Order: sequence, then C-alpha cells, then structure tokens
Amino acid sequence: QSALTQPASVSGSPGQSITITCTGITDDIAIHENVSWFQQHPGKVPTLMIFDVNKRPTWASTRFFGSLSGSTASLTISGLQTEDEAAYYCAFYPRATTWVFGGGTKLTVL
Amino acid sequence: EVQLEESGGGLGQPGSSLRLSCAASGFTFGDFVMHWVRQVPGRGLEWVAGITWNSGEVGYADSVRGRFSISRDNSKNSLNLRINRLRSEDTALYYCVKEGGDLWGQGTMVTVSS
Repeated sequence: QSALTQPASVSGSPGQSITITCTGITDDIAIHENVSWFQQHPGKVPTLMIFDVNKRPTWASTRFFGSLSGSTASLTISGLQTEDEAAYYCAFYPRATTWVFGGGTKLTVL
Repeated sequence: EVQLEESGGGLGQPGSSLRLSCAASGFTFGDFVMHWVRQVPGRGLEWVAGITWNSGEVGYADSVRGRFSISRDNSKNSLNLRINRLRSEDTALYYCVKEGGDLWGQGTMVTVSS
C-alpha cells in the first residue's frame, strides 16, 4: 500500500463547508472501508473524528462527514467554526497490524 | 480512567538503542491490536509498527523494518518498542495508539544526537 495523498492546505470562512480529499485508497473491496480521519490541533494529541469511512465516535461533531468514492476518501466539515482550525490526517488500514497515513492537511478558518 | 502512558524516550546517540514502553489502563488491553505512531515536531504522522492482541502478527513501516521491534506483555498491560541502531531520522515524538485510533497516549520524545 502506497502513501495516501492529501492537499497540503485548505481554507474556509466561518459557516462555510470544506472538503479534504485523500487519494490512494486500495480498490480491494474487502478492506476498502478501513478509512479514518484524525484531527490534530497544534501541540495536541490526534483525535479520531471519523472511522470506517463515515462513522463518527461519540465525541465528534455531526458537522464532520466522511465518504469514499473509488480510491478517494473525503472529509467534509460543514458550518466551519474557528475551533475546526487544525491539521487533518486520513488513515487507511490494509491489515490489522498496518496503517498508512496521509501527509496531512492544514485547515485554516479565515 | 482509560489511558495510555508512554515512557522511555530521551536522548540517544546514533547507533545506540532505546526501549520505549506504554502502560495501558482502564480497558482490556489484551483484547486489542496496538500500534506505535511517530511524529517529527511540525511534521505529519507516521505509522511505525503494530501488533495483534496475542502477538501472533506484527507489522512494520518500511522505514523501520529490521531495526525496530514491537512487543507486548498482556499480563502487565504493556506495549514496548525496541529501537536499534538509532538514526537522526528517528528523532520524533512516539505515540502509543489503541486499535482504531480512538485512544492515544501523550507521547514520549526520542532525540537522536551525538
């Protein structure tokens, strides 16, 4: 499994929606949906925001939405808030003991 | 409280070894795959190694395979990472992470310098 590709940066204004893409997900259907998204604020530990493509842990806002189309996973954040400004990483799990991270995307809320 | 706490980081000379540990509490450690993920300050996340609940399967990133060794002791709720032949590019914050990524430790910093 090769590394996953994310845009280096995205930006949006408060209240707007943005989408971060993650390309390079395998087309092996058996493991196709092992995709997660993490949020990391500067100096903080990463936080899981999306797992299994589009599921949210209890602590994640419903403004965060994950999807998968072909080999591209996407994270959409609606109703942008200043606290959403952070780095976002996609991750794919081709097998239980192996993870692959994307390079990360810096979200700026203007 | 559910938590992971890493230890063992510090300053290591190039070519030397370090052993990182992670103490788990608040959940049934032996039921889960565990991972090490590292991050150079100011850079992205890099998965390093993973191990199944019974140590039956392990995985390593290409960048560390042959030098890093992951292990666990379920009786002590602990996860370990042995880093051999330290290189400058191993300088990073090392996180212990539970299967699925819903629980991370605070990390332990490894600095490789002579």
